[in-house]
Amino acid sequence: GENVEQHPSTLSVQEGDSAVIKCTYSDSASNYFPWYKQELGKGPQLIIDIRSNVGEKKDQRIAVTLNKTAKHFSLHITETQPEDSAVYFCAAPYSGGYQKVTFGTGTKLQVIP
Amino acid sequence: GAGVSQSPRYKVAKRGQDVALRCDPISGHVSLFWYQQALGQGPEFLTYFQNEAQLDKSGLPSDRFFAERPEGSVSTLKIQRTQQEDSAVYLCASISGSSYNSPLHFGNGTRLTVT
Repeated sequence: GENVEQHPSTLSVQEGDSAVIKCTYSDSASNYFPWYKQELGKGPQLIIDIRSNVGEKKDQRIAVTLNKTAKHFSLHITETQPEDSAVYFCAAPYSGGYQKVTFGTGTKLQVIP
Repeated sequence: GAGVSQSPRYKVAKRGQDVALRCDPISGHVSLFWYQQALGQGPEFLTYFQNEAQLDKSGLPSDRFFAERPEGSVSTLKIQRTQQEDSAVYLCASISGSSYNSPLHFGNGTRLTVT
């Protein structure tokens, strides 16, 4: 199956600074890499995703970069705001299973006002 | 409805009791998933349905766990003879098609506490 490793597990930044979260995966056939944000008491929500035919994707203050050779992808949040405080999960699908998406262990981001 | 709905939001069960957790996916969504999320961890895959067919149940931790989706819409996850290690948040998610290259739409989960 797919093995996804995520780090750091916790991250504290000052408001306005940037935050970077990194993930590695094992299945070289994986070609879709989403990032989810989970707030307390809620289910994970997709914030950005990238497919293997591009190396970078941006959506306002959020960007994701992908290095297929090295099998890692990263989430970048610029100009962080207190409402960015949450747990972030990367994920990668297992190409050998129908839909078995494997999640990272999560990064708890705290933005200090 | 507008999103994936799960009920109940919280469930407390005594060890040995049976529980049933319900998921209403987004209307028309073909694929439905159940995930288990332990405290401080990422969601772990349990099972996957495409319409009413359960195509993958490899993540179910034991034969005490059973899921069904008889009419291809609402799904129920049943846990028999609950144990303390079953305490977790159970998340349901759906997607409109069957491609694994699609984002999951999650409900807010059911928090199960076994005492």
